[in-house]
Amino acid sequence: DVKVTQSSRYLVKRTGEKVFLECVQDMDHENMFWYRQDPGLGLRLIYFSYDVKMKEKGDIPEGYSVSREKKERFSLILESASTNQTSMYLCASSEGQSETQYFGPGTRLLVL
Amino acid sequence: SQQGEEDPQALSIQEGENATMNCSYKTSINNLQWYRQNSGRGLVHLILIRSNEREKHSGRLRVTLDTSKKSSSLLITASRAADTASYFCATDPRNTDKLIFGTGTRLQVFP
Repeated sequence: DVKVTQSSRYLVKRTGEKVFLECVQDMDHENMFWYRQDPGLGLRLIYFSYDVKMKEKGDIPEGYSVSREKKERFSLILESASTNQTSMYLCASSEGQSETQYFGPGTRLLVL
Repeated sequence: SQQGEEDPQALSIQEGENATMNCSYKTSINNLQWYRQNSGRGLVHLILIRSNEREKHSGRLRVTLDTSKKSSSLLITASRAADTASYFCATDPRNTDKLIFGTGTRLQVFP
């Protein structure tokens, strides 16, 4: 079975802090994704990557950056956390860009 | 606006009843997928139906796709309390290389 893990289930940070969210998948998938999920808004794509060192902006990339130095690892970075980035963050991976996505358990981030 | 819109937003039923959720979308697609999310967890893939398919089954799940109406339905038969979750449709529009998720249907199954 595909396993996607995220570094933290819950995280509390202060405004202005730099935040790293890490995601690791064990199925050698080319594609990895970062979403945020907010009530009433569903899942919104922040960034995705279709290969090592490649990245593409999603629908809401502002305030975020990503890093993919190794195929199995995709990191989401909040350079200077703000309260409006309080959310549930979900990482996913897939073999093809529009094929089945396998999700991690999510990181619930609270920015104070 | 959302590519996929689920209907209803919330649904409450008794165990043993069937649950039907609908998804409408706006543009032509390559495939449509349904996912389930238990409270506070990640999404789990349920089923994928391609644009040239009309119906697909997986256990107690039945998915239909009507590309002329740009809509899909997910039917869960003989529901169980463990089916309580949010259900999302995700579409793969032909002019993009990513999935677009709807806002979900919250299903509550009472024992």
